[in-house]
Amino acid sequence: GAGVSQSPSNKVTEKGKDVELRCDPISGHTALYWYRQSLGQGLEFLIYFQGNSAPDKSGLPSDRFSAERTGGSVSTLTIQRTQQEDSAVYLCASSLVGGQNTEAFFGQGTRLTVV
Amino acid sequence: QQPVQSPQAVILREGEDAVINCSSSKALYSVHWYRQKHGEAPVFLMILLKGGEQKGHDKISASFNEKKQQSSLYLTASQLSYSGTYFCGTEKDSNYQLIWGAGTKLIIKP
Repeated sequence: GAGVSQSPSNKVTEKGKDVELRCDPISGHTALYWYRQSLGQGLEFLIYFQGNSAPDKSGLPSDRFSAERTGGSVSTLTIQRTQQEDSAVYLCASSLVGGQNTEAFFGQGTRLTVV
Repeated sequence: QQPVQSPQAVILREGEDAVINCSSSKALYSVHWYRQKHGEAPVFLMILLKGGEQKGHDKISASFNEKKQQSSLYLTASQLSYSGTYFCGTEKDSNYQLIWGAGTKLIIKP
């Protein structure tokens, strides 16, 4: 695609429900990253995929968070039993190759609100 | 270890210059700079690798001082379009995750 696409753009969910956030990276990009950004804050690293595997899951805040990537393309971030502190903008980025010496392209994000 | 950005915020008049700093307590392999406008995704500005290089495009440039473990972003003759929050991301090894600073909010007034 032309850019990184994330869906939904906004999600309001009730506390305790599960949510799935989707990221479509730029075609051909092997590296994919998930970040969380709380209001007025910086970017918090969640997970990094190289192809379909996740060599670095260290940023996932709890076992309620999981992510997968299939076909070296689409990735889904799942949050189970959502809590109010999960409210944030979830950003996905992709880059052409693994490693960090390349530009990352960000999606517009999914704004998650847990009520 | 999250890099420290300074200042946290700066207000300028159009045409004035600004410097944003990004410091780390650890040895760095590279520093990445991004700008994020309100409600938008972060947009890439530049990457600097260790070796003390300096980069720039248009009136935005940056330096990387490996010894000081610090990078500085220079905005010259600022334009209204420069407004936004500037983030630095640091990397201690190649193929390692980026650790992001908390951001510097830049407001440019006409």
